[in-house]
Amino acid sequence: TQLLEQSPQFLSIQEGENLTVYCNSSSVFSSLQWYRQEPGEGPVLLVTVVTGGEVKKLKRLTFQFGDARKDSSLHITAAQPGDTGLYLCAGATEETSGSRLTFGEGTQLTVNP
Amino acid sequence: DTGVSQDPRHKITKRGQNVTFRCDPISEHNRLYWYRQTLGQGPEFLTYFQNEAQLEKSRLLSDRFSAERPKGSFSTLEIQRTEQGDSAMYLCASRLSGGNEQFFGPGTRLTVL
Repeated sequence: TQLLEQSPQFLSIQEGENLTVYCNSSSVFSSLQWYRQEPGEGPVLLVTVVTGGEVKKLKRLTFQFGDARKDSSLHITAAQPGDTGLYLCAGATEETSGSRLTFGEGTQLTVNP
Repeated sequence: DTGVSQDPRHKITKRGQNVTFRCDPISEHNRLYWYRQTLGQGPEFLTYFQNEAQLEKSRLLSDRFSAERPKGSFSTLEIQRTEQGDSAMYLCASRLSGGNEQFFGPGTRLTVL
């Protein structure tokens, strides 16, 4: 069974601070996605990474896929209250690439004004 | 808006009753997925369809659960003889065959009393 571990599980910071969320596994992923979820809503896709070492930027968010494609990180610069939400990483392996995503437990981020 | 839609958004039922949820995927997405998410956890895979064929089912999908996608477009998920442990958010996602990205609907929140 694949396992995606996210850390930290909870993060409460002040507006303007930087933060990093980590997603780690012992499995190799063919693709890895980051989602953001608001209470009572479905996850919204932020980014997909597929190549080892890949870095993608989305405004103040920077996503990195590990060289071995077993881990990923999300870095937010100058966090804002609107960044508050549950951040989820999810991966598909070569065996499951046609089917299911395996999700981490999520990082609940709270950005205080 | 041509995103994934789910109906109903909320369902409250008494233990032992049957419930059915509907998912309309993004048009032309031939893959459709069902996930379940409980509070404080990431989504867990239940089952997926390619067109009308159900290709994979999780062990989480007990014999009280059945999913269909009769015409390869919308899908239904039925839970028979609901139990309190079935209370969760049921999420539907769709994807183009050959793509990496799954797009989620807003979910159906089920509460079993």
